[in-house]
Amino acid sequence: DAGVIQSPRHEVTEMGQEVTLRCKPISGHNSLFWYRQTMMRGLELLIYFNNNVPIDDSGMPEDRFSAKMPNASFSTLKIQPSEPRDSAVYFCASRPRTDPRSPLHFGNGTRLTVT
Amino acid sequence: RKEVEQDPGPFNVPEGATVAFNCTYSNSASQSFFWYRQDCRKEPKLLMSVYSSGNEDGRFTAQLNRASQYISLLIRDSKLSDSATYLCVVNPFSGGGADGLTFGKGTHLIIQP
Repeated sequence: DAGVIQSPRHEVTEMGQEVTLRCKPISGHNSLFWYRQTMMRGLELLIYFNNNVPIDDSGMPEDRFSAKMPNASFSTLKIQPSEPRDSAVYFCASRPRTDPRSPLHFGNGTRLTVT
Repeated sequence: RKEVEQDPGPFNVPEGATVAFNCTYSNSASQSFFWYRQDCRKEPKLLMSVYSSGNEDGRFTAQLNRASQYISLLIRDSKLSDSATYLCVVNPFSGGGADGLTFGKGTHLIIQP
């Protein structure tokens, strides 16, 4: 089991640039979640998908953020244009949808710094 | 009232001692509860689920109090390796379409030699 795979591990970019974060969930997991973590706000749910369909994107901060899941094995989170306040660690997580009591499996995260 | 609240700590505890911390949640309809552990600059990992009757896993005991809407985590005979941030997690839904987990900000635990 390769676990949830995120890339890149670190991203440093300048304000105004487009940033794309990538995630490959665990094979067979039907739910995928994007979280953002900062010291001030902790872990915040941005959006989650069930069977590649976005279910709840109410956590997406604003229109600069967008997420897609074109197939069961790949998802992207895009920020365009990026701003310094977007600096955070972005985690992707997956779990089998069939049991909401099952735990989330997190990727290693992408540490984003926007200067 | 925030959805999930935890004392951020830090809790400084000598090695071998027992430590406990609570987490309160606001949604009385919440169905699933978990404790996750997060090490510095790492991803959160499941420590244990919390069941209605309470449950134990080695040195760790989790309790749920629905009437007062809190869950607790007790660590006995603490080890240096227990130093981490402990995240309380609540799922307000029993299943179906919407089931996003809500994380507390975490309690920082430092075990001192």
